[in-house]
Amino acid sequence: DADVTQTPRNRITKTGKRIMLECSQTKGHDRMYWYRQDPGLGLRLIYYSFDVKDINKGEISDGYSVSRQAQAKFSLSLESAIPNQTALYFCATSAGSPNEQFFGPGTRLTVL
Amino acid sequence: GENVEQHPSTLSVQEGDSAVIKCTYSDSASNYFPWYKQELGKGPQLIIDIRSNVGEKKDQRIAVTLNKTAKHFSLHITETQPEDSAVYFCVADQSGNQFYFGTGTSLTVIP
Repeated sequence: DADVTQTPRNRITKTGKRIMLECSQTKGHDRMYWYRQDPGLGLRLIYYSFDVKDINKGEISDGYSVSRQAQAKFSLSLESAIPNQTALYFCATSAGSPNEQFFGPGTRLTVL
Repeated sequence: GENVEQHPSTLSVQEGDSAVIKCTYSDSASNYFPWYKQELGKGPQLIIDIRSNVGEKKDQRIAVTLNKTAKHFSLHITETQPEDSAVYFCVADQSGNQFYFGTGTSLTVIP
């Protein structure tokens, strides 16, 4: 089984809808991250969490919110989706820093 | 924040030749520099990393060099194979909190 899983893997939605992307990990890591990948721009950090009670904004947090429900679960929400949030979203985990981050398979989100 | 520039954006090499990807970073506080490989439809996966107290690191066919003074680091892949074809990202980690990714290099190894 995969160590970092993301659901859904693909999602098509309409402008204005609320969307939640979920991430679960079995690696036992405390640190979890959400990234967004756009063509030609690499990955950019949206939010990160060092433990259940610690949430931090990343480089591009506007329009997004997160929830750390447990050590193993970290969700990303788009309260009112807009077309320029169409992208590939990745969740990652790490045991500490600076250290390797382990990435999930990604969620492809399309906002019409 | 940090700014990471990566070149080239695309690279084609013949099987068996070497491939070199170069990156620069802007913030001297960055102290950890991993390289990730992303295959189609998958998440990025670490292939090698280097910390700021080391100038060079090698793992079989892959090597990375770091020049802290010039703020640049490079990935070298020797004896390339078709399975090396993928997108490669350089990363600068500032203070252990945030990864800043380069824009990626799409490497194609021609059999």
